[in-house]
Amino acid sequence: EAQVTQNPRYLITVTGKKLTVTCSQNMNHEYMSWYRQDPGLGLRQIYYSMNVEVTDKGDVPEGYKVSRKEKRNFPLILESPSPNQTSLYFCASSLLPGGPERLQETQYFGPGTRLLVL
Amino acid sequence: SQQGEEDPQALSIQEGENATMNCSYKTSINNLQWYRQNSGRGLVHLILIRSNEREKHSGRLRVTLDTSKKSSSLLITASRAADTASYFCATDAYGNNRLAFGKGNQVVVIP
Repeated sequence: EAQVTQNPRYLITVTGKKLTVTCSQNMNHEYMSWYRQDPGLGLRQIYYSMNVEVTDKGDVPEGYKVSRKEKRNFPLILESPSPNQTSLYFCASSLLPGGPERLQETQYFGPGTRLLVL
Repeated sequence: SQQGEEDPQALSIQEGENATMNCSYKTSINNLQWYRQNSGRGLVHLILIRSNEREKHSGRLRVTLDTSKKSSSLLITASRAADTASYFCATDAYGNNRLAFGKGNQVVVIP
């Protein structure tokens, strides 16, 4: 089954304790992205990656790191979490747009990771 | 980055009625997409409309796009209780998959 998986689904941690949220997709997608969702603010992009070893900042990258060593995985790293990073996090993936026979591809979202930083 | 804004923010309707939501955005776009989210779960893509398209249908969904007004509407016909969800519009300004999401529109369909 084609899917995007995230782990953990729920996490409670304390300020300053490094954590990693994993994201994996089995669709051979080049493009992967992390979003955070907060009440009243919708989804905001944190980081994205166009392919292996190619990552770039989204709209709210402060306090986050990512890596893309393999095509299927795109972990989100919080080196020193703070309470303002309490949020619902989504990973998404898609094929890259472009090419004469390739249409714009939609993004497939993971189930979400609910993070609480105390 | 630009951001879509959905209107109305919350909508409550009876099963069988139609539900209409609007989305406005600020700058030019390559395409606009609508997503559905069920109660804290992942988003599911519903429909994509490109900047050179004016209307698109998918099952009970109808999307319109007016680039001169920088707005889009999503119509769900003959709504069902299972349509209860939050609906988000998202704009892609450059066709590079970088989406800017609106704040969402909560729809409740009463059986």
